[in-house]
Amino acid sequence: DAKTTQPPSMDCAEGRAANLPCNHSTISGNEYVYWYRQIHSQGPQYIIHGLKNNETNEMASLIITEDRKSSTLILPHATLRDTAVYYCIAQAGGATNKLIFGTGTLLAVQP
Amino acid sequence: KAGVTQTPRYLIKTRGQQVTLSCSPISGHRSVSWYQQTPGQGLQFLFEYFSETQRNKGNFPGRFSGRQFSNSRSEMNVSTLELGDSALYLCASSLRWALETQYFGPGTRLLVL
Repeated sequence: DAKTTQPPSMDCAEGRAANLPCNHSTISGNEYVYWYRQIHSQGPQYIIHGLKNNETNEMASLIITEDRKSSTLILPHATLRDTAVYYCIAQAGGATNKLIFGTGTLLAVQP
Repeated sequence: KAGVTQTPRYLIKTRGQQVTLSCSPISGHRSVSWYQQTPGQGLQFLFEYFSETQRNKGNFPGRFSGRQFSNSRSEMNVSTLELGDSALYLCASSLRWALETQYFGPGTRLLVL
């Protein structure tokens, strides 16, 4: 599985867009990019995933560069409830649901 | 639809004891995975079950074991508890066996004294 690199922490003002970067320069062609987040002391929550194309759902948008070596998770209008640790994961293809979590980015949304 | 449930939510044990944690997946989900979360090591994969078969195992000692029942409910057991086993144990379920979105439960917080 490809290693992902994320900044340890970021701040964002409430109501503004939060852009969380992730580097996955060794990602292989069959690896998806998944984003999960974990609000303090809760179980991780799925946000979004993608392979090549940009994706959007009701929670966020995922922008993947054309060479697939990096991606950005965008929370369009951050709220205080979005304060959490965000994990970017490159999940290998094949017969497994195993997730390899890195250290993630602690996003602090400021009022 | 009800989410993933884990019981108990909190547990205190002493060194040398054993513990069994339970996980009930979302209805219809057949894959269950377990993770351990500690401040020092972060979230680490323990094992994964699908249709009562262990499909994948993380790098944990044999004291950690699990099983899955025909109704997809899963249990994990830790024998001969050590202080370092104090952690949040998380269960996740998914519909099928590969590359599926994982839905996590709230976890069981285990404290070993």
